[in-house]
Amino acid sequence: AQKVTQAQTEISVVEKEDVTLDCVYETRDTTYYLFWYKQPPSGELVFLIRRNSFDEQNEISGRYSWNFQKSTSSFNFTITASQVVDSAVYFCALSEATAAGNKLTFGGGTRVLVKP
Amino acid sequence: DAGVTQSPTHLIKTRGQQVTLRCSPKSGHDTVSWYQQALGQGPQFIFQYYEEEERQRGNFPDRFSGHQFPNYSSELNVNALLLGDSALYLCASSLGEFDLSSYEQYFGPGTRLTVT
Repeated sequence: AQKVTQAQTEISVVEKEDVTLDCVYETRDTTYYLFWYKQPPSGELVFLIRRNSFDEQNEISGRYSWNFQKSTSSFNFTITASQVVDSAVYFCALSEATAAGNKLTFGGGTRVLVKP
Repeated sequence: DAGVTQSPTHLIKTRGQQVTLRCSPKSGHDTVSWYQQALGQGPQFIFQYYEEEERQRGNFPDRFSGHQFPNYSSELNVNALLLGDSALYLCASSLGEFDLSSYEQYFGPGTRLTVT
């Protein structure tokens, strides 16, 4: 069975500080996809990034960066120079690549509070 | 380009009643998934519809049922409501073919259901 663990329930930082969100996953499949979603107070989940299990190249997109380490089953997310607008709940999710469907298994989320 | 839409936005029901939630997928998408998100938790997968059939189902009782129409829109029905059914119900759409691009799910704003 798939499982995603986000050990940090809440992180509070001051604006311009960096913040790293941890994500650890479990799956028996060799092919899978990992995601990060952002959920602002409005409630809608906003897609941030997708990574497949064969691509361990880390990625930087603006102030966001991701560190995928298959050896430790981790897919961590860093916000550099945080801003107040980054305040939201962030979810890590896992999907197996099967023809049966592409359901997402989510972690419990990490609430990020960026103070001015 | 219209995104995923859901109706209603909010709903208040009494224990034992039945409820129907509606979802229209993003333009061009043919697969709809439903998730339940209890307060302070990550979304939990309920089921997924593709070509008007239930393709995958999560660990939810038969009180939760769904339907997909020829235009790809979908309904989620919950019978015999319990207090524990109070949650944000999220709809997500994607492409149903077995292709990398299908693994990016776009979420709607959700329907907040309160059972009293």
